[in-house]
Amino acid sequence: GEDVEQSLFLSVREGDSSVINCTYTDSSSTYLYWYKQEPGAGLQLLTYIFSNMDMKQDQRLTVLLNKKDKHLSLRIADTQTGDSAIYFCAWGTNAGKSTFGDGTTLTVKP
Amino acid sequence: EAEVAQSPRYKITEKSQAVAFWCDPISGHATLYWYRQILGQGPELLVQFQDESVVDDSQLPKDRFSAERLKGVDSTLKIQPAELGDSAMYLCASSYTLSGANVLTFGAGSRLTVL
Repeated sequence: GEDVEQSLFLSVREGDSSVINCTYTDSSSTYLYWYKQEPGAGLQLLTYIFSNMDMKQDQRLTVLLNKKDKHLSLRIADTQTGDSAIYFCAWGTNAGKSTFGDGTTLTVKP
Repeated sequence: EAEVAQSPRYKITEKSQAVAFWCDPISGHATLYWYRQILGQGPELLVQFQDESVVDDSQLPKDRFSAERLKGVDSTLKIQPAELGDSAMYLCASSYTLSGANVLTFGAGSRLTVL
């Protein structure tokens, strides 16, 4: 979507770290989300961060938020072949509406 | 684990025909969404329901699309007549609140191909 920008593709080797970046335009967002979509399936929530936080860690996932630059990133440590998927960032409002980016396709090579 | 059910998974139709998609959200989820996902893009909100009421349908092409959630549970999205540009994945989601965050649970989607 035009309100959320993501790079289209990322390729990494198994065991390396992956960093997926996202920039958004809306200042009213309360939460920012990362979703994962595997082929032929719907989106699945990976993690989220409240807009007044800078960082959130959840096992292999680290989310960094730079609110001043409206930049969000997702770092996946020790990337596995099962992490190959499309990753969407999204921002949400208090009204419950979520706006999604166009996704980053992550390819993990053995 | 509770899931959002959608049917049909796949639908092929000719342009000008009518199509309908059905969604059964997770029990107890008051908010239901229909999103359209064109290949290579992110989901775009078509309509948001709170119980049986429409909260946001600003992006729904109302000349040909309609959505209803009569009893506040399951929902139907209809397209009549279908156009070539309607070919896409139609995703239904319902949401719950987790520590203040509005978390969407998506169904597997209904893939529409218009010939």
